[in-house]
Amino acid sequence: GAVVSQHPSRVICKSGTSVKIECRSLDFQATTMFWYRQFPKKSLMLMATSNEGSKATYEQGVEKDKFLINHASLTLSTLTVTSAHPEDSSFYICSADRPKSGSSYEQYFGPGTRLTVT
Amino acid sequence: SQQGEEDPQALSIQEGENATMNCSYKTSINNLQWYRQNSGRGLVHLILIRSNEREKHSGRLRVTLDTSKKSSSLLITASRAADTASYFCASNFGNEKLTFGTGTRLTIIP
Repeated sequence: GAVVSQHPSRVICKSGTSVKIECRSLDFQATTMFWYRQFPKKSLMLMATSNEGSKATYEQGVEKDKFLINHASLTLSTLTVTSAHPEDSSFYICSADRPKSGSSYEQYFGPGTRLTVT
Repeated sequence: SQQGEEDPQALSIQEGENATMNCSYKTSINNLQWYRQNSGRGLVHLILIRSNEREKHSGRLRVTLDTSKKSSSLLITASRAADTASYFCASNFGNEKLTFGTGTRLTIIP
């Protein structure tokens, strides 16, 4: 099946620093990827839709200057948490759309990245 | 918010018993999907049911969809310890974006 990877799987950083998380589709090309955030024992909340070659589309309430998304190639999207603060600590999950027959897609999820800001 | 509600929030059953989780949503959907998430891990896609389908089976999983009540249920039969996880429903509202339900934490007691 399709595989989506994320790197790193865990990261601890100091408050005020920036952290970059990578999301890669390993065996298919994805023009669209999604970034989600999940707090402990909570559901996934969509942060933004990442489109290859164009600007990301952010959900309401998500600061685009704080969560920088770059989808530079058909297999890689990055999320950079800038000037991280403890409240940014969370589990970040990406997904990638894999084309199916016709114009339909199927989303494949990465394993997630645990960010802890101290 | 379009986020779906799931109930129960948490469920503990004995191994071998059946587990039923319910999901309700607010607006019309194209399809509804169920995912499993083991603690601290990514999501595993379990099953997709389209808006014109009423029931679907996959192994020990049975999903029903009632569009008139805007609800779906996931039944896991003959539960195993390995089924311990959080289960989420998710739906498309006319585009590719998925909106996830609040989730049910299932614990199977050996």
